[in-house]
Amino acid sequence: AQSVTQPDIHITVSEGASLELRCNYSYGATPYLFWYVQSPGQGLQLLLKYFSGDTLVQGIKGFEAEFKRSQSSFNLRKPSVHWSDAAEYFCAVGPSGGSYIPTFGRGTSLIVHP
Amino acid sequence: KAGVTQTPRYLIKTRGQQVTLSCSPISGHRSVSWYQQTPGQGLQFLFEYFSETQRNKGNFPGRFSGRQFSNSRSEMNVSTLELGDSALYLCASSLGQGAADTQYFGPGTRLTVL
Repeated sequence: AQSVTQPDIHITVSEGASLELRCNYSYGATPYLFWYVQSPGQGLQLLLKYFSGDTLVQGIKGFEAEFKRSQSSFNLRKPSVHWSDAAEYFCAVGPSGGSYIPTFGRGTSLIVHP
Repeated sequence: KAGVTQTPRYLIKTRGQQVTLSCSPISGHRSVSWYQQTPGQGLQFLFEYFSETQRNKGNFPGRFSGRQFSNSRSEMNVSTLELGDSALYLCASSLGQGAADTQYFGPGTRLTVL
């Protein structure tokens, strides 16, 4: 069965600092990988996704993620965090064929200090 | 283009009652998925509908049901509510039902069971 682990429940960074959120997955084949962001009281918004090809994926809002098969990881990065980035971030893995039934990680709460 | 809308946004029910939640997908989207989000269990997949047919179902009891109408609007129903059903219920729509189709989430319905 597929699974996703986000080791960090909370992360605190200062505005302007760089950010890396960790995501490790378990899946038997080549997975589809996603990062979503959820602001308080809102639904989820897709930041980026990886299906195949270039392992460095660019997303919206200045985010990027790198797929590392050897480490079963898909970490999310941003070079300079803005206060508006404070939110909950979810990594998800989905099957690479057929219908999309994702498995989500438990999320990482990002706190941004001024 | 209008996003995914969910009604109502907030709901308070008592144990034993039943509830119906509604989701209107983005115009042209034919796939609708439902998720339950709780602090204890995180985001869990409930079911997915495509062209009025349930295509996939998560691991939830039969008290949870849904349907999709010809205009792609979807409803989910929870009968005999339990305290543990208190959650944020999220609906997501996509053009198709493949993993390559980006899911767009609504803001959710916050259900509180007393």
